[in-house]
Parts: sequence; structure tokens; C-alpha cells
Amino acid sequence: EAGVVQSPRYKIIEKKQPVAFWCNPISGHNTLYWYRQNLGQGPELLIRYENEEAVDDSQLPKDRFSAERLKGVDSTLKIQPAELGDSAVYLCASSLYGAGTEAFFGQGTRLTVV
Amino acid sequence: GENVEQHPSTLSVQEGDSAVIKCTYSDSASNYFPWYKQELGKGPQLIIDIRSNVGEKKDQRIAVTLNKTAKHFSLHITETQPEDSAVYFCAASTGVRKLSFGAGTTVTVRA
Repeated sequence: EAGVVQSPRYKIIEKKQPVAFWCNPISGHNTLYWYRQNLGQGPELLIRYENEEAVDDSQLPKDRFSAERLKGVDSTLKIQPAELGDSAVYLCASSLYGAGTEAFFGQGTRLTVV
Repeated sequence: GENVEQHPSTLSVQEGDSAVIKCTYSDSASNYFPWYKQELGKGPQLIIDIRSNVGEKKDQRIAVTLNKTAKHFSLHITETQPEDSAVYFCAASTGVRKLSFGAGTTVTVRA
């Protein structure tokens, strides 16, 4: 069974440019998460979806970040415009249902803003 | 919200020795406590988890203990091997709500 797939693996952009990350969760998983992981730190939740509904986006900087999960499957996270401080690894994870079940992580997208 | 603290931040052990990582959490409603291992360039991978109705769980060389009264839980790795070198994260969740992670422990196993 394929795991959580993310693309791209790496992205280098200039500040003020837009960027988008894509995630395909494990088939059948209702819950999808986007996390941001700064160097030397643990993952921090940006947004959590239950099917196509964003149920927790309190940590998402809504002035520049947006996300969508159309049809409750794939998801896209966008940053526009990117800032230097957005450099981090963006991780997507999915679980069968909610944060009380095992979350499977993708390999992440390493974003560098120059 | 939930606050998870993890210690130590780095741990160096001789191959064959044991490694212990400790975490505390703030929300007494937390009932799910997973541990993740992250290797360089990869996403975190679950290695063991425990729920609040269990005090201890073991899987081969890995064990986790939970003290609900003190609100802390620990990861124990016995007979460490070079492939155990990685960053380990503890996390806590109140169930369907978000998983909160500790800051991580970098474990180095010296041959």
C-alpha cells in the first residue's frame, strides 16, 4: 500500500513569490494534516481536515497561507507571498479518523525562501 | 492548548546501553501518546504508542510508560544499535483533536 505522497520534495523560491505543495493521503484516511517543521523542532500543526472540512485551522497564517482538500482526498497548501521566515519542512500526514489514531507522515517538502 | 515538553534534547549512548527519553504534558484530558522516529530527510514514523488506560507497553527493544497522575510518559530503548540513531518525538492528543509534539531528542548511538 502506498504511503502519504508529497510533492515536490524540495523547493527554492525568492521571497514574495507564491508556492504550492501537494499531498495525496493514504487511501481511505479521513483525516489529513499539514504540519510545519522548523529546523531542530517538532512538527507544528497548520491545519487539520476531516474529509473535505477544515476543522482546525487556528494555527494557519491566513493572510498568506491557504489550503484546500477537494473531494476529501488530495490536498494543496499554498503560500502567497512567501517570506524568508517560511523556510521550513512542510509535512503532510493522514490518519484513519482523528488525532487519536496513528498518523502516517509523508517525506515532506523542504522549502527555502531566499 | 496542549503543551508537550521533552528531555533531553540530545542523548549519546554507547551501543548496547539503554536510552531513556522523558516527556510531560499539560492537558489532563490527553489520552493518546505516540512516539515517532525521524531519520534525516524523512518524515516521522510511528514506533510505539500508548493510550491512557494502559500504564506500560512493550514492543521488542522499545517500551513506553505512562504516569497519568504526574502527566508524564517515557520512551525506553534497550540494547541500542547504530540504526537507533535518529530524532525521536513524543506527542500527545486528546483524541480527535490535534496531536501536539515535543521538540525532539537527537539520539546518537556510539559504536
